[in-house]
Amino acid sequence: GAVVSQHPSWVICKSGTSVKIECRSLDFQATTMFWYRQFPKQSLMLMATSNEGSKATYEQGVEKDKFLINHASLTLSTLTVTSAHPEDSSFYICSAREGTAEETQYFGPGTRLLVL
Amino acid sequence: GQNIDQPTEMTATEGAIVQINCTYQTSGFNGLFWYQQHAGEAPTFLSYNVLDGLEEKGRFSSFLSRSKGYSYLLLKELQMKDSASYLCAAMDSNYQLIWGAGTKLIIKP
Repeated sequence: GAVVSQHPSWVICKSGTSVKIECRSLDFQATTMFWYRQFPKQSLMLMATSNEGSKATYEQGVEKDKFLINHASLTLSTLTVTSAHPEDSSFYICSAREGTAEETQYFGPGTRLLVL
Repeated sequence: GQNIDQPTEMTATEGAIVQINCTYQTSGFNGLFWYQQHAGEAPTFLSYNVLDGLEEKGRFSSFLSRSKGYSYLLLKELQMKDSASYLCAAMDSNYQLIWGAGTKLIIKP
């Protein structure tokens, strides 16, 4: 089946630094990628939807200047957490979809961010 | 390698019971999650099992057998709104989620 990878798996950083998380579709072209944030044993919170070559659509309450998303190619999307603070510590998960809204989303393994 | 298997699609009748199975192979194990995802929406957390046995939560129950690498989600008194995709995900020893492709559940009147 389709595989989505994320890098890094874990990241620990100091408050005030920026962290970039990559999401790659390994064996298909993802026209749409989604970025989620998850708190322990809670539902995934959609942060933004990105389409290749266009600006990401952010959900209400998500700061676009803080969470920079770049969907540079059909196989790569990046999420940059700028000037990270301890409250940004979380589990970030991406998913990718190949075509239309009816098609399956494939989820990445997640990236754990700890901001000290 | 790490792998999750669940059926692609299931059909059930309103008011009935349906069981969605999930088998997993992971490097280490830190729990098994079930999510519900309606089309165009983010996945909603349903359950988390890390110990063997059945956990009941209203109309939904989730079962885990660690020795068999097996879990199921049981939905009772099915309602039309239960039509959705159900995602199984296992957490490995590095606390990474290994996702199944999801089971599309179709409820018929």
